[in-house]
Amino acid sequence: EAGVAQSPRYKIIEKRQSVAFWCNPISGHATLYWYQQILGQGPKLLIQFQNNGVVDDSQLPKDRFSAERLKGVDSTLKIQPAKLEDSAVYLCASSGVVGYTFGSGTRLTVV
Amino acid sequence: QKEVEQNSGPLSVPEGAIASLNCTYSDRGSQSFFWYRQYSGKSPELIMFIYSNGDKEDGRFTAQLNKASQYVSLLIRDSQPSDSATYLCALPGDSNYQLIWGAGTKLIIKP
Repeated sequence: EAGVAQSPRYKIIEKRQSVAFWCNPISGHATLYWYQQILGQGPKLLIQFQNNGVVDDSQLPKDRFSAERLKGVDSTLKIQPAKLEDSAVYLCASSGVVGYTFGSGTRLTVV
Repeated sequence: QKEVEQNSGPLSVPEGAIASLNCTYSDRGSQSFFWYRQYSGKSPELIMFIYSNGDKEDGRFTAQLNKASQYVSLLIRDSQPSDSATYLCALPGDSNYQLIWGAGTKLIIKP
């Protein structure tokens, strides 16, 4: 089966600019996650979708981050405006029978 | 609130030796546990899943779960330089299909 697709792989932006990431989960996986992983730390859940509904967005900084999954398949995560501390890898994952499958991630550098 | 703790390392092990990685958790009711491997610059990948007390073996990897002492271990026999990575421990959270992550232990296998 095809894996979780993410794009872009890398992004460098200046602070206060906006950026968007895209994710397409494994076909048939209803649950999709966006994680933020700062270097040297474990993944931090930003938002969890079940089909096109939000299950948990308690750790999403809603003043600058937004995410949607309109048709219950692919998803976008947006940051506007970006801050220096948003520099991290943004991981998308979908859950199957056991555990998660992660996409390759987007490495964001805010300068 | 469920928590997972890991020693961040780095843990340095000579090639061919046994690498032992440990993870402790706070919730006595936790039933299942995951070990993920994350190479530098890559996404986490699932390597072991364990849900019952005792040992589970898969090739050179053995997961050990001790519910009474609330720890789970990952043993890697005949360590290879290709095993050098960060190993993340995770367990299900309170919400559906969520995982609580440790910060990961960086393992270095020295030739």
